[in-house]
Amino acid sequence: DGGITQSPKYLFRKEGQNVTLSCEQNLNHDAMYWYRQDPGQGLRLIYYSQIVNDFQKGDIAEGYSVSREKKESFPLTVTSAQKNPTAFYLCASKPDYNTDTQYFGPGTRLTVL
Amino acid sequence: DQQVKQNSPSLSVQEGRISILNCDYTNSMFDYFLWYKKYPAEGPTFLISISSIKDKNEDGRFTVFLNKSAKHLSLHIVPSQPGDSAVYFCAASRVSNYQLIWGAGTKLIIKP
Repeated sequence: DGGITQSPKYLFRKEGQNVTLSCEQNLNHDAMYWYRQDPGQGLRLIYYSQIVNDFQKGDIAEGYSVSREKKESFPLTVTSAQKNPTAFYLCASKPDYNTDTQYFGPGTRLTVL
Repeated sequence: DQQVKQNSPSLSVQEGRISILNCDYTNSMFDYFLWYKKYPAEGPTFLISISSIKDKNEDGRFTVFLNKSAKHLSLHIVPSQPGDSAVYFCAASRVSNYQLIWGAGTKLIIKP
């Protein structure tokens, strides 16, 4: 059964700590994305990767970092430099760069205590 | 600068009637538009899309209309069902970079 998995579903972090959110896909998609969703707002792009070992900053990359060492994995690290990290984080993928439709994982709710 | 706008935060519709969700955009370079449906604490799921070379696309109960001169698109759901209660996001894409720009979403509530 192909799809995108994100773990954990809920994550609590103390202020000042880094935390890594997992995103794995078995769809053989080249492109992967990280978005953040806040209440009453659309999805905002954090980072994206068109291909393995390559990634680009999105609109709100400050305080976040990513890696793309394997095609199926695109973890997101929320660092202590991110001033307001409490949000719902969504990972998405698509077959290749020049298609439009993205497919989403179930999301991770991060709460900073 | 909000390039994709969904001006209605919420919409309430009677079961069986038509739901019409609206989306406006400002960038004339957008050439592909998508609608996604999202339940609470879940990821969005793709619903329907339309290319800028068309003015209508239909898939079962869902129809998307595009008015390029007005920079406006709408999603029609008919008949509306209780399972349609969700947040609907409009997104736009440019062929130059295929990035999606998202509206803020409209919460659709279907009343029994």
